[in-house]
Amino acid sequence: KAGVTQTPRYLIKTRGQQVTLSCSPISGHRSVSWYQQTPGQGLQFLFEYFSETQRNKGNFPGRFSGRQFSNSRSEMNVSTLELGDSALYLCASSSGTPSYEQYFGPGTRLTVT
Amino acid sequence: DQQVKQNSPSLSVQEGRISILNCDYTNSMFDYFLWYKKYPAEGPTFLISISSIKDKNEDGRFTVFLNKSAKHLSLHIVPSQPGDSAVYFCAASILGNQFYFGTGTSLTVIP
Repeated sequence: KAGVTQTPRYLIKTRGQQVTLSCSPISGHRSVSWYQQTPGQGLQFLFEYFSETQRNKGNFPGRFSGRQFSNSRSEMNVSTLELGDSALYLCASSSGTPSYEQYFGPGTRLTVT
Repeated sequence: DQQVKQNSPSLSVQEGRISILNCDYTNSMFDYFLWYKKYPAEGPTFLISISSIKDKNEDGRFTVFLNKSAKHLSLHIVPSQPGDSAVYFCAASILGNQFYFGTGTSLTVIP
């Protein structure tokens, strides 16, 4: 089975711009979760999508949004980028029934200058 | 508000000895706990988990202990190997919903 893939792997953006990150889950997995990893903060939960619906949401401002398509692929969008948004963004997929085991992609490293 | 805490950012252990990684949590509603290992440039990979109805779970060289009264869990790796050098994250969940992660402990196993 192919693993979780994320594109792009690296991204450099300027303050004020917006960015869209993509995540393709493991085939058959219907749940996709997004996390932000920064030094000293660990992994912070952004949101989870299951069957195209946002099922859980973390404590991030509305500039962070996401969506899930019918094939379970998910995108995350960050508008009006700030320097503090520089981080590794990880997505994780699971069967979502719920499933306690999440499988992570390699992440997208976003740098905001 | 960090509900899951790993107070040791780093740990060094000699090869062959025991590695003990610790994790504390504040929410007594957590019913499932997991450990993940992360190598640079890769996403975290699932290592071992434990349900709140148990106090110990073992998988090969890895054992997780849960002390609910102290809201504390630990991961024991015996014997430690150089390939175990990585960042370890503990995580907790309520009914498989939102997962809360600690800040990670970087383990270095010295040959």
